[in-house]
Amino acid sequence: DIQMTQSPSSLSASVGDTVTITCRASQTITSYLNWYLQKPGKAPNLLIYGASILHSGVPSRFSGSGSGTVFTLTISNLQPEDFATYYCQQSYSTPLGTFGQGTKVEIK
Amino acid sequence: QEQLQQSGPGLVKPSQNLSLTCAISGDSVSRNGVAWNWIRQSPSRGLEWLGRTHYTTKWHYDYAPFVKHRITVNPDTSKNQFSLDLSSVTPEDTAVYYCVRVILGVYWYFDLWGRGTLVTVSS
Repeated sequence: DIQMTQSPSSLSASVGDTVTITCRASQTITSYLNWYLQKPGKAPNLLIYGASILHSGVPSRFSGSGSGTVFTLTISNLQPEDFATYYCQQSYSTPLGTFGQGTKVEIK
Repeated sequence: QEQLQQSGPGLVKPSQNLSLTCAISGDSVSRNGVAWNWIRQSPSRGLEWLGRTHYTTKWHYDYAPFVKHRITVNPDTSKNQFSLDLSSVTPEDTAVYYCVRVILGVYWYFDLWGRGTLVTVSS
């Protein structure tokens, strides 16, 4: 099975900051990497698929990059509604799309 | 408006069966190229994909290896819904269960989620 590891597990930031979250795969997944945002008590929401393709309706302050085994999610100009937990998920291995353990973005 | 509406009990006794249903609005359970999935989330195990069904010339079923021997995902075309049955549950099956849609393609992703059902396994 492909294992997904996110870092850091949590971070503190202020409104207006730029934050970067890293996701590493245990083997190459080319560009088959998705990012989700989850708020407490809610289901995850898709942000980015194909490592860098912004899902419809997602603000442009979110961006993704990477290929192979290392990927990053960058949030520029952090907004109050962005404080949440972020998950990466590989879609290289079908149908078993494993998730990372999550990165919680908290208000400093 | 596309929507997934979950229903089912929130408390199940150990060794019994967990059964949940997901009613689909704005889409069809038998649409080609769409897979209907169950995912669960717990603090100890994170987000785990459990299984799915999809119709592509015939019905297909796929299950995660760690639950393969005790899980069934079934479509119900007459009610436009699909279900999850998980047998012989233990407290380790306590989690929030989500029904989720995937549009199959070169890049696939979980794009439409139900609201989630907290299922507690306890006597």
